[in-house]
Amino acid sequence: DVKVTQSSRYLVKRTGEKVFLECVQDMDHENMFWYRQDPGLGLRLIYFSYDVKMKEKGDIPEGYSVSREKKERFSLILESASTNQTSMYLCASSSRGPREPQHFGDGTRLSIL
Amino acid sequence: KQEVTQIPAALSVPEGENLVLNCSFTDSAIYNLQWFRQDPGKGLTSLLLIQSSQREQTSGRLNASLDKSSGRSTLYIAASQPGDSATYLCAVRPVDQFYFGTGTSLTVIP
Repeated sequence: DVKVTQSSRYLVKRTGEKVFLECVQDMDHENMFWYRQDPGLGLRLIYFSYDVKMKEKGDIPEGYSVSREKKERFSLILESASTNQTSMYLCASSSRGPREPQHFGDGTRLSIL
Repeated sequence: KQEVTQIPAALSVPEGENLVLNCSFTDSAIYNLQWFRQDPGKGLTSLLLIQSSQREQTSGRLNASLDKSSGRSTLYIAASQPGDSATYLCAVRPVDQFYFGTGTSLTVIP
């Protein structure tokens, strides 16, 4: 089975801090994704990556950056955390083939105080 | 831009009832459609994946159909159980990105 692991289930940080969310997948997938999920808004794509050191902006990239130095790891960075970034963050991966499914981690509930 | 809609937003049914969840999308140029289940505070668990060339997929008590030309998919759950209570989301894949609906929150009453 595909395993997508997010480093923290719950995280509490302060306004202005630099925050790192880590995601690791074990299936050699080319594509990796970061979403945030908010009530009433559904899942919104922040960034995705289709290869090492490659990244593409999603629908809401402002205030975020990403890093993909190794194929299995995709990091989301909040450069200077703000309260409106309090949310559930979900990482996912998929194989490059367009007919392949997407697999999700358990999510990180991030609170910015 | 692809838009995905799920109706109803919430549904409550007695145990044992058969039910249908709906998903519609605006652009029929998709490779596949995926149904997920999400329990409170958790990530998404994949239930079924339907390729654009397929009409339906089945897994146990679940059956998903796809009518690409009309931009619709349904998830049929037979003989519902309290353990089926969760939020169900659909997602379509045009190329590399996935577009999600906002989900249907299902409650099955014992």
